Amino acid sequence: DTGVSQDPRHKITKRGQNVTFRCDPISEHNRLYWYRQTLGQGPEFLTYFQNEAQLEKSRLLSDRFSAERPKGSFSTLEIQRTEQGDSAMYLCASSSPLGQGELSGNTIYFGEGSWLTVV
Amino acid sequence: AQKITQTQPGMFVQEKEAVTLDCTYDTSDPSYGLFWYKQPSSGEMIFLIYQGSYDQQNATEGRYSLNFQKARKSANLVISASQLGDSAMYFCALREGPQGGSEKLVFGKGTKLTVNP
Repeated sequence: DTGVSQDPRHKITKRGQNVTFRCDPISEHNRLYWYRQTLGQGPEFLTYFQNEAQLEKSRLLSDRFSAERPKGSFSTLEIQRTEQGDSAMYLCASSSPLGQGELSGNTIYFGEGSWLTVV
Repeated sequence: AQKITQTQPGMFVQEKEAVTLDCTYDTSDPSYGLFWYKQPSSGEMIFLIYQGSYDQQNATEGRYSLNFQKARKSANLVISASQLGDSAMYFCALREGPQGGSEKLVFGKGTKLTVNP
């Protein structure tokens, strides 16, 4: 399978615990994104990497959230001191670099998501 | 103002018929892209079709086509010959161009499509 893969697919944790999700993008993609999706809503942008550099962060990404992409390949999203409001699906996506003069055309491919339930 | 509006929370269609899912958008960026994704109950976001703001023709991908009306800022998805497997949530998303300074997709709230046999 050469798509975006995420691990774990499901995680149940107690409030206050830390959790970490991993994302492996499509191998030739240098752009990597994290989104969060709650029930009945569309995905909301959290953060974006180009190679190992974190270039954009949403205000949704509180101090308890940290994302890394140390070698420009896989990425981790850690949530510290989880709260019940963190229960959601966390989606990772990747895309290839935009060519010179190219506009917004690069398709963004998503993984199957990691479901988090905080009890 | 919301950047993406999907006004149909749910739609029903008979198998083998065509269905149109509505999407309107709001941007002042001259360069942007519009995406449609399908999300079955398993959760994966499946890319369906893309339309660039400067594309002269409406995008088509198999049974999917995009009715792009730039002046009206609408980008409706048309699914022809519906199949039972098309039952899912469908999301419209906007990506503003490099000049907008952001790489993110902004999603609508989605439309739940149910295909009846």
